[in-house]
Amino acid sequence: KNEVEQSPQNLTAQEGEFITINCSYSVGISALHWLQQHPGGGIVSLFMLSSGKKKHGRLIATINIQEKHSSLHITASHPRDSAVYICANRRGSQGNLIFGKGTKLSVKP
Amino acid sequence: GAGVSQSPSNKVTEKGKDVELRCDPISGHTALYWYRQSLGQGLEFLIYFQGNSAPDKSGLPSDRFSAERTGGSVSTLTIQRTQQEDSAVYLCASSASPSNTDTQYFGPGTRLTVL
Repeated sequence: KNEVEQSPQNLTAQEGEFITINCSYSVGISALHWLQQHPGGGIVSLFMLSSGKKKHGRLIATINIQEKHSSLHITASHPRDSAVYICANRRGSQGNLIFGKGTKLSVKP
Repeated sequence: GAGVSQSPSNKVTEKGKDVELRCDPISGHTALYWYRQSLGQGLEFLIYFQGNSAPDKSGLPSDRFSAERTGGSVSTLTIQRTQQEDSAVYLCASSASPSNTDTQYFGPGTRLTVL
């Protein structure tokens, strides 16, 4: 079993829909990351959180430490949100990230 | 300011040849990471440098893989006697420190194809 599990693997939505991507992890973390990878391949860090909730524009990330679960929400989705969203776990003092397999989101106009 | 840069952007090589991939981190960043993304697979950790400490090599898949970081800045990932299964996108990232609060900034990657 992977340390970091994401669902769904693929998600198709209509423009304007509310999107939720889920991430579960099996070991304790020091920080959980949400990353975005565009079709061209570039990876951008969206959020890094160890508790509670963070918001940036139409994106919201939440984490429940007790349940070892995080969610990424996109409000009023837009075709430009189409990308692969990756959840990654950072354990303790280790610097490297352990990645989920990603959720491929396609938002149709 | 300049982000993380990697070169070359694409590399095609023949099986058995050695390749070198270069990463220029953001100036002043002490932590540098190498990851790879194989076709249809997720990202996986390869190696991590932090300042002058010994690197964490725990993710390197075989002894054909090695990396160095000169002067705490530029890093080179070397793959010797390349195999077809080494074909992947190799990504470099850097952060100001390995602290939990520091974002990792990713380079554009080097797409390696081994024929």
